Amino acid sequence: DAMVIQNPRYQVTQFGKPVTLSCSQTLNHNVMYWYQQKSSQAPKLLFHYYDKDFNNEADTPDNFQSRRPNTSFCFLDIRSPGLGDAAMYLCATSRGRNVDETQYFGPGTRLLVL
Amino acid sequence: SQQGEEDPQALSIQEGENATMNCSYKTSINNLQWYRQNSGRGLVHLILIRSNEREKHSGRLRVTLDTSKKSSSLLITASRAADTASYFCATDVAGKSTFGDGTTLTVKP
Repeated sequence: DAMVIQNPRYQVTQFGKPVTLSCSQTLNHNVMYWYQQKSSQAPKLLFHYYDKDFNNEADTPDNFQSRRPNTSFCFLDIRSPGLGDAAMYLCATSRGRNVDETQYFGPGTRLLVL
Repeated sequence: SQQGEEDPQALSIQEGENATMNCSYKTSINNLQWYRQNSGRGLVHLILIRSNEREKHSGRLRVTLDTSKKSSSLLITASRAADTASYFCATDVAGKSTFGDGTTLTVKP
């Protein structure tokens, strides 16, 4: 089945130790998003790629970076994780950025920072 | 920033009852979407309603949109234990979605 896959599902890292989260999709969608979701809060958009075009949200900390080497894969790099970065990280895709586009979400990676 | 606010934050009902949750937003939108999130999982799209629509149905789901009041409601009829989840509204402005904080629904068997 076509889907959005995130690995790993759970990630434990140490304070300040770089970590990379992975997302892949078999939907062949043009757009890939990364969201941060803290407990009982709304998913917060960090950035998205439209094809190879990177779009950063204004309030996304510089500590968060992303790479999209090809259509199928997108990575979230946290250069120096702090305790406040512990959260669920959700990857999503959509066909385009037109109105009425539905986003398809992966199961998320829960990050714990020790 | 543009954001949907949901009410109530938490809702607990018995199986078979109806569940209603509301979403309010601040500025004009292109559409509004509802998503479900099971505990510790990703979001699943439920339904989209466009700004020129007032009501949509999908199975046991009924969504209304009142653009004059900048609000939407999601009704789940004849709820089941499997409906236990968090429900988020997402407002779309110029192709960008912003999520509300969600309503946590618990359906007791």
